[in-house]
Amino acid sequence: GESVGLHLPTLSVQEGDNSIINCAYSNSASDYFIWYKQESGKGPQFIIDIRSNMDKRQGQRVTVLLNKTVKHLSLQIAATQPGDSAVYFCAETTAGAGGTSYGKLTFGQGTILTVHP
Amino acid sequence: DAGVTQSPTHLIKTRGQQVTLRCSPKSGHDTVSWYQQALGQGPQFIFQYYEEEERQRGNFPDRFSGHQFPNYSSELNVNALLLGDSALYLCASSLVQGNSPLHFGNGTRLTVT
Repeated sequence: GESVGLHLPTLSVQEGDNSIINCAYSNSASDYFIWYKQESGKGPQFIIDIRSNMDKRQGQRVTVLLNKTVKHLSLQIAATQPGDSAVYFCAETTAGAGGTSYGKLTFGQGTILTVHP
Repeated sequence: DAGVTQSPTHLIKTRGQQVTLRCSPKSGHDTVSWYQQALGQGPQFIFQYYEEEERQRGNFPDRFSGHQFPNYSSELNVNALLLGDSALYLCASSLVQGNSPLHFGNGTRLTVT
């Protein structure tokens, strides 16, 4: 299982670099995956999502890659900025769980991203 | 357009007491989910409400209960508080149709002493 507690993985980058945050998920039946950004004192903020019938999806400065074979998800942030500093969580869920959209998410442990000016 | 709002923002309770947390979903959303986030961990699913009924539940004891009102707002109640209930409680809303992603509020920080 995943490690839990205060020792979150950390990633430190320089402003302007590209960042890659990785996530391993556990449920092979999961078919919807989301990345959230959480700043100190705030709730998680939706970044980008991807469904299991896709292996790549791009947004504004962000790209999510999904490898179902090894149950791995990654978030790429282009030209990282100091405002991107936060904790990043991946989350997974299964379509139709309870028949009420994607409400029951299982979150990963999170990665702390620090961007240095 | 208001997002998800939660009240209060902070709360201090004594072990054994009961607490009620409140949530108003994002405008247009009809489904509310509650999560518990312990320090340094990802949020954990407590339960979800739709059409005023509990639709899904995570691995939380019966001390955790909820309610959804006709205007889609929701309450989370925790009875017989334990020290381990200290956490950030997050409310998230979504629209049942279209598989919309969850939108989270900024949470209520509960401290049990």
